[in-house]
Amino acid sequence: AQKITQTQPGMFVQEKEAVTLDCTYDTSDQSYGLFWYKQPSSGEMIFLIYQGSYDEQNATEGRYSLNFQKARKSANLVISASQLGDSAMYFCAVLGTGFQKLVFGTGTRLLVSP
Amino acid sequence: DVKVTQSSRYLVKRTGEKVFLECVQDMDHENMFWYRQDPGLGLRLIYFSYDVKMKEKGDIPEGYSVSREKKERFSLILESASTNQTSMYLCASSLSTGGVENEQFFGPGTRLTVL
Repeated sequence: AQKITQTQPGMFVQEKEAVTLDCTYDTSDQSYGLFWYKQPSSGEMIFLIYQGSYDEQNATEGRYSLNFQKARKSANLVISASQLGDSAMYFCAVLGTGFQKLVFGTGTRLLVSP
Repeated sequence: DVKVTQSSRYLVKRTGEKVFLECVQDMDHENMFWYRQDPGLGLRLIYFSYDVKMKEKGDIPEGYSVSREKKERFSLILESASTNQTSMYLCASSLSTGGVENEQFFGPGTRLTVL
């Protein structure tokens, strides 16, 4: 079984600053993928970034980067130069082998202030 | 562009009604999923399907059923809606290559209220 823990229910950051959203995971699979999704107030889930368990380098996508520490089982999302449009819920998820089921954390609500 | 659509953004039903939530994807994906999302609980998997007419229970299937008669369409059915099924329902689809890199693509969600 897989589990995702997001310990920060809410985070505040000022515009143009960087912010780190925490995610720890638990899985018995040797091969797995880690995903971050953004959910604005409109409701749709937007894929942000992916990290494979065997990837040697941390994933980056524009202003998003993933601080992947495999031994600690953590996959924190770093958003650089925050923008007002980054205000949203952020979900971390893990995908193991088998039935392609994504397991989500409870999410972190990020609020970016001017 | 990849697209997953859901039949309604908002739905209000009465207790005991039969409710159908429809999801259609145009990406020829094998896998389709139904989640419900509640504050503080994240997304929880209700059912998923990895092929036409195939279905598997997720973590919270009680009170729900599903139907997948065509590859592109996956329906969630509430046989007799109850107030504790008031929630946001999200549909998703993904490729079925067996890899762990297959992201799921989500629809816009249906916010269901059962009175």
